[in-house]
Amino acid sequence: GNSVTQMEGPVTLSEEAFLTINCTYTATGYPSLFWYVQYPGEGLQLLLKATKADDKGSNKGFEATYRKETTSFHLEKGSVQVSDSAVYFCALSGDRGSTLGRLYFGRGTQLTVWP
Amino acid sequence: EAQVTQNPRYLITVTGKKLTVTCSQNMNHEYMSWYRQDPGLGLRQIYYSMNVEVTDKGDVPEGYKVSRKEKRNFPLILESPSPNQTSLYFCASSFVGQVYEQYFGPGTRLTVT
Repeated sequence: GNSVTQMEGPVTLSEEAFLTINCTYTATGYPSLFWYVQYPGEGLQLLLKATKADDKGSNKGFEATYRKETTSFHLEKGSVQVSDSAVYFCALSGDRGSTLGRLYFGRGTQLTVWP
Repeated sequence: EAQVTQNPRYLITVTGKKLTVTCSQNMNHEYMSWYRQDPGLGLRQIYYSMNVEVTDKGDVPEGYKVSRKEKRNFPLILESPSPNQTSLYFCASSFVGQVYEQYFGPGTRLTVT
């Protein structure tokens, strides 16, 4: 079945540090992959996406590359800011049968950035 | 303003007392979904709907009901709430062709005592 595994948090960094949040997936077919972000007290927002192997999604300085050979979609940012403090969710969407049109989320990784 | 609204935002209730959490969207989205968020478990899908009068179970549908009589509304019904349904609930919507880009409501924090 479809599932997403992401690194346990919390992650605590100083401002301008490099960020990596690991995400690996299990899926049948050819899923699309996403990162969502949840700021304190809010619902989730789509941060970036990649729809096929070797695609790189990017937004707000964040990047992630769809690696089919390692079934991974790690989130990276070169220099984090205090405003990046949030919970980050890796997700995939099914592409066939009963999984079509559904999103499967990882457990989320809490990021805290200190000034 | 394009948005998904949920009501109430906070609710404390007792075991067995039926309740409904409303969800409404103003973006003409066909797809709507309910999730619950629990510490250490992330988001789990309860029910979803691809269009009016079409609903399907997600991963954790037990103890919940939904209906989709109108395109804009997708209420979540707990007919006999239990303490294990204490959680943070999110409604989301999207176009059917863009299910990955779901717009989330602000959440409803439910406590069942």
